[in-house]
Amino acid sequence: EAGVAQSPRYKIIEKRQSVAFWCNPISGHATLYWYQQILGQGPKLLIQFQNNGVVDDSQLPKDRFSAERLKGVDSTLKIQPAKLEDSAVYLCASSLYPGQGALEETQYFGPGTRLLVL
Amino acid sequence: LAKTTQPISMDSYEGQEVNITCSHNNIATNDYITWYQQFPSQGPRFIIQGYKTKVTNEVASLFIPADRKSSTLSLPRVSLSDTAVYYCLVGDIPTGGFKTIFGAGTRLFVKA
Repeated sequence: EAGVAQSPRYKIIEKRQSVAFWCNPISGHATLYWYQQILGQGPKLLIQFQNNGVVDDSQLPKDRFSAERLKGVDSTLKIQPAKLEDSAVYLCASSLYPGQGALEETQYFGPGTRLLVL
Repeated sequence: LAKTTQPISMDSYEGQEVNITCSHNNIATNDYITWYQQFPSQGPRFIIQGYKTKVTNEVASLFIPADRKSSTLSLPRVSLSDTAVYYCLVGDIPTGGFKTIFGAGTRLFVKA
């Protein structure tokens, strides 16, 4: 089966510019996650969607970050305006929602988008 | 949420068995233990998951003592390609509220 797709793979922008990342989860996966991973650290959950709805966005800097998941499939994560400290890899993951037959809530990760803010 | 503690890094040689221990003293009754592996420039990949005792799959084994306050990921006969970061996560799956918190992980270096 096809994995989680993300684009672009790399992005370089200047501070105060805006940027958007796109994610296409595995077909049939109800749950979608966006993570930020700064070099040398573990991934940090930014937002979790269950179908169209937001389950957890407690660590999303809402003054500059926004995310949406229209029709419960693809998702976009936007940063506006970007800061130097936003330089990181942005990972998208998806999983089956427990109750859909998933014995384990395994998260399948995409390759990530590497963002550099200058 | 149960916090996890792992060694920052470990070194090993090809062909050896590697055991990475994760401490989770505040694990709750409904919490499962999950391990992920991450190679450079890739997203994390699920390795193994367990609730108690021992779980084994084609990649690794997971040992969980009776008190469940720690767990040990065992990688048999590692190769150079096992060099990666390994993350231990604890969360409540059955209720659908598995909150994913990755720590810094353990960086495993396998030498020839």
